[in-house]
Amino acid sequence: GQQLNQSPQSMFIQEGEDVSMNCTSSSIFNTWLWYKQDPGEGPVLLIALYKAGELTSNGRLTAQFGITRKDSFLNISASIPSDVGIYFCASPYRDDKIIFGKGTRLHILP
Amino acid sequence: KAGVTQTPRYLIKTRGQQVTLSCSPISGHRSVSWYQQTPGQGLQFLFEYFSETQRNKGNFPGRFSGRQFSNSRSEMNVSTLELGDSALYLCASRTDREQPQHFGDGTRLSIL
Repeated sequence: GQQLNQSPQSMFIQEGEDVSMNCTSSSIFNTWLWYKQDPGEGPVLLIALYKAGELTSNGRLTAQFGITRKDSFLNISASIPSDVGIYFCASPYRDDKIIFGKGTRLHILP
Repeated sequence: KAGVTQTPRYLIKTRGQQVTLSCSPISGHRSVSWYQQTPGQGLQFLFEYFSETQRNKGNFPGRFSGRQFSNSRSEMNVSTLELGDSALYLCASRTDREQPQHFGDGTRLSIL
């Protein structure tokens, strides 16, 4: 079946650093979604991308829809402690089911 | 605007029992989807309901079933529970296709 490959699986960074993560697939998608999940809570939608090449920001978060339509990137600038969590990429595919990557777990060192 | 509400938040059952989980979508959202989240498998799609009809189904056994009511509220039922059914069950709603889903905080199901 279709798969979204997220990397890295986990990241350990210092507070204040910038963060980059990505999501790739062997298939073409028309929509890319980025979610964040805090412990004990459900995923929260961060950014939705609908057009190849699109670059969208939400505060310190910026996401891009890759030109090939097979990948997407999420950047976080000047990380803060509340950025800790798991970041998921997702996309609808055949029959409009939504598939998710396995997530990138972000840790921030004090 | 109230978000997606799932009840109960936590549930403990034993093998062989059955369980029913409930989800109230965001007002105006007619699509409700259910996911199983485990550390090893990540988020796996169970099924989606739209206007009381199952529109999509994932690759789970028939022990997993669901339904949607006329007010868009949805329930998920798991019969003959197995240890491997221990997971966080998430519900998500959206207005319709092409729109992103919004998740509830899930029901944590533990099977003893």
